[in-house]
Amino acid sequence: AQSVTQPDIHITVSEGASLELRCNYSYGATPYLFWYVQSPGQGLQLLLKYFSGDTLVQGIKGFEAEFKRSQSSFNLRKPSVHWSDAAEYFCAVAAPGGGNKLTFGTGTQLKVEL
Amino acid sequence: GAVVSQHPSRVICKSGTSVKIECRSLDFQATTMFWYRQFPKKSLMLMATSNEGSKATYEQGVEKDKFLINHASLTLSTLTVTSAHPEDSSFYICSAREGNSYEQYFGPGTRLTVT
Repeated sequence: AQSVTQPDIHITVSEGASLELRCNYSYGATPYLFWYVQSPGQGLQLLLKYFSGDTLVQGIKGFEAEFKRSQSSFNLRKPSVHWSDAAEYFCAVAAPGGGNKLTFGTGTQLKVEL
Repeated sequence: GAVVSQHPSRVICKSGTSVKIECRSLDFQATTMFWYRQFPKKSLMLMATSNEGSKATYEQGVEKDKFLINHASLTLSTLTVTSAHPEDSSFYICSAREGNSYEQYFGPGTRLTVT
């Protein structure tokens, strides 16, 4: 079974600073990888996903993520954080052919200081 | 597009009663819907997967007689928490997918408090 680790429970960055949220997964092959953002009162929104191909994935809201097979990682990055990016971020994996079940990490709470 | 709604957004019920939560896909047909439970400061835990017109598949450790899931149409799934107890208090989230897509669209969640 697959698992996901998000080592950082909380991260605080200043507005305008760069951001990197870490995600490591455990799976026997290359899983499908996702990053979601959860804001209060709103459903989880998909930021980006990786299935195959180019390991640098561009998403919405200026986010990108890079799949590194050797490190079993799929870290989320943004070059310049906006105050509105403050939210909870979840990394998730799905096993290809596994019925689309998502396994989520425990999330990283992002706080943005003005 | 791809909007999923949940109703109610918050519900308080007394211990021993049952409560129903609705999940609707508003602008697409959801062949599969998923129900998750999210504890404070915790990840989303998949409870069950439901396909329209068939019985839900429950994850290990989830009591199917306590958490009744019905997916009677391509746009509606319901989760009924039967004989609720305070330990059932949680944030319940549904998601839906169209066809065989790996992308799930999430509802805003329902906060259940059992007193």
